[in-house]
Amino acid sequence: EIVLTQSPGTLSLSPGERATLSCRASQSVSSNYLAWYQQKPGQAPRLLIYGASSRASDIPDRFSGSGSGTDFTLTISRLEPEDFAVYYCQQYGSSQGLTFGGGTKVEIK
Amino acid sequence: QVQVVQSGTEMRKPGSSVKVSCKVSGGTFSLYAISWVREAPGQGLEWMGGITPIFGTTNYAQKFQGRFTITADGSTSTAYMELSSLKSEDTALYYCASGPFVNGSPGAFDYWGQGTLVTVSS
Repeated sequence: EIVLTQSPGTLSLSPGERATLSCRASQSVSSNYLAWYQQKPGQAPRLLIYGASSRASDIPDRFSGSGSGTDFTLTISRLEPEDFAVYYCQQYGSSQGLTFGGGTKVEIK
Repeated sequence: QVQVVQSGTEMRKPGSSVKVSCKVSGGTFSLYAISWVREAPGQGLEWMGGITPIFGTTNYAQKFQGRFTITADGSTSTAYMELSSLKSEDTALYYCASGPFVNGSPGAFDYWGQGTLVTVSS
């Protein structure tokens, strides 16, 4: 299976700052089939980005995804109070099945 | 608007089985793939497997093959997951998630259920 490694494990930032989250795959992700999710305590995850860089419906443009092959990035241009949460990357479209990364927690500094 | 509604909390003893349902409304059931994702206490998200009803195909994570079964009933737009030979380590919140399929298997998940808590304890 494709292993996804997210870094850092925790990111401590202040509102208004820029957040850069990394997701590295153990092998190339087919057709950049890479998604990002946001999860807040007590809630189901929410799709932010699919296809490495396409924003899902109703996702603010301060969220952006980039990357290809084995290295992907989620950037939050200016953190809003509601953006403090856990973020997961996920790869799909592989014959080996889907996998999630271990998550990055973005916390208030 | 697509809604995904799961069945309620379950408590089971080790060695038993559990079956959880997931009803999808507001969309065309056959156009989506349905997956099951679990979140153990203090852990991250883990994909268990999925079904693509239009093709009738299932895909399972290797870790769960043999004791995990996903089925779907198109007439009621409902998917089911059954996990057998339960262990205490299976205690988790189980999510149903749906979205378009890619290469005949589940893709990204646009819609999520509310989660079903399964507790395994003697």
